[in-house]
Amino acid sequence: GNSVTQMEGPVTLSEEAFLTINCTYTATGYPSLFWYVQYPGEGLQLLLKATKADDKGSNKGFEATYRKETTSFHLEKGSVQVSDSAVYFCALTFNYQLIWGAGTKLIIKP
Amino acid sequence: NAGVTQTPKFQVLKTGQSMTLQCAQDMNHEYMSWYRQDPGMGLRLIHYSVGAGITDQGEVPNGYNVSRSTTEDFPLRLLSAAPSQTSVYFCASISGGNTEAFFGQGTRLTVV
Repeated sequence: GNSVTQMEGPVTLSEEAFLTINCTYTATGYPSLFWYVQYPGEGLQLLLKATKADDKGSNKGFEATYRKETTSFHLEKGSVQVSDSAVYFCALTFNYQLIWGAGTKLIIKP
Repeated sequence: NAGVTQTPKFQVLKTGQSMTLQCAQDMNHEYMSWYRQDPGMGLRLIHYSVGAGITDQGEVPNGYNVSRSTTEDFPLRLLSAAPSQTSVYFCASISGGNTEAFFGQGTRLTVV
């Protein structure tokens, strides 16, 4: 079946550190891949997406590349800020099923 | 476009009460779904619909009913609220071609 696995949190970093949150997926066929972000007390916001292999999604300094050969969609940011503290969800859609990872809580310390 | 509109934002129920969470989208999406989010557990699918008149169960359907009489609306009904249903509920719709999921603002439900 289809599934998404992302690294467990919380991930704690200092401001300006490099961020990687790993995400791998299992899917039959060719899913679209997403990263969603949830800031404290708020709903879910689409951060970035990629709809086919080798696509790179980017937004607000975050990037992720759709790697079909490794079935991965790792989230990266070169220099994190305190305001990036949130929970990040990796997800895929396939045949209109939205499959979620468990979420990774990111804590950025000044 | 309003996107996905979900109401109410907050609700407190007594055990045994029933209520309906409303969800409406104006993007003409066929696929809509309801999730609950519990601390440390990510999002779990309750029910989903692939079009008007068609619904199916997700991962955690017990205690919830849905219907889809129109493309726009997908209400979630709690038949007899239980404390275990205390959670944050999100409604979502998915665009054609699986290219994006749109979410409502969430309903924080407390059952006492």
